[in-house]
Amino acid sequence: DTAVSQTPKYLVTQMGNDKSIKCEQNLGHDTMYWYKQDSKKFLKIMFSYNNKELIINETVPNRFSPKSPDKAHLNLHINSLELGDSAVYFCASSRKNRGAEYGYTFGSGTRLTVV
Amino acid sequence: AQSVTQPDIHITVSEGASLELRCNYSYGATPYLFWYVQSPGQGLQLLLKYFSGDTLVQGIKGFEAEFKRSQSSFNLRKPSVHWSDAAEYFCAVGAQGGSEKLVFGKGTKLTVNP
Repeated sequence: DTAVSQTPKYLVTQMGNDKSIKCEQNLGHDTMYWYKQDSKKFLKIMFSYNNKELIINETVPNRFSPKSPDKAHLNLHINSLELGDSAVYFCASSRKNRGAEYGYTFGSGTRLTVV
Repeated sequence: AQSVTQPDIHITVSEGASLELRCNYSYGATPYLFWYVQSPGQGLQLLLKYFSGDTLVQGIKGFEAEFKRSQSSFNLRKPSVHWSDAAEYFCAVGAQGGSEKLVFGKGTKLTVNP
């Protein structure tokens, strides 16, 4: 079983569209994260949820909205997609809101291409 | 806020040669330190981590890293590189008792020549 699974793996869409990426973890972790990896491989945190509560919200456009229906799921919805949103989006999880101490388990990423 | 610098963007070594990837961090106290590896088209896999105690940390796949407080460094080493080690390597730092996020360096791409 995949510990942290993301869907879809690839997403190609036109500018202006709205899309969602889904993430699920079966590790029993309490905290989940979204990271964006740009074309230069730089990883930057976007959001973090601990047991369905938003705890980290970095400077991200309002077009990005995370949703956590339960502690095993964290979805990312993006409105009005722009060319600059093209990137690989990684979901990750950690136990007990202590990602900085224990590290993360990452999903395999979703490559978003906006055309 | 913590930060990480990986000075080498790209390193090429021959198979069987030794490897050292550099990582320098900036943080006011003792940090949590991590090395992750990303193979092409894959997510990030944890190689090893440092919390406290012994400054030489052993990880998976034959990797080790040494925490040097005086140099604010956490360099990754492997005595003999295999072709399958070709990947992108990321150093990351977490703040003890602070924000839960990990801050990542910009990565070092490792190429292994046969």
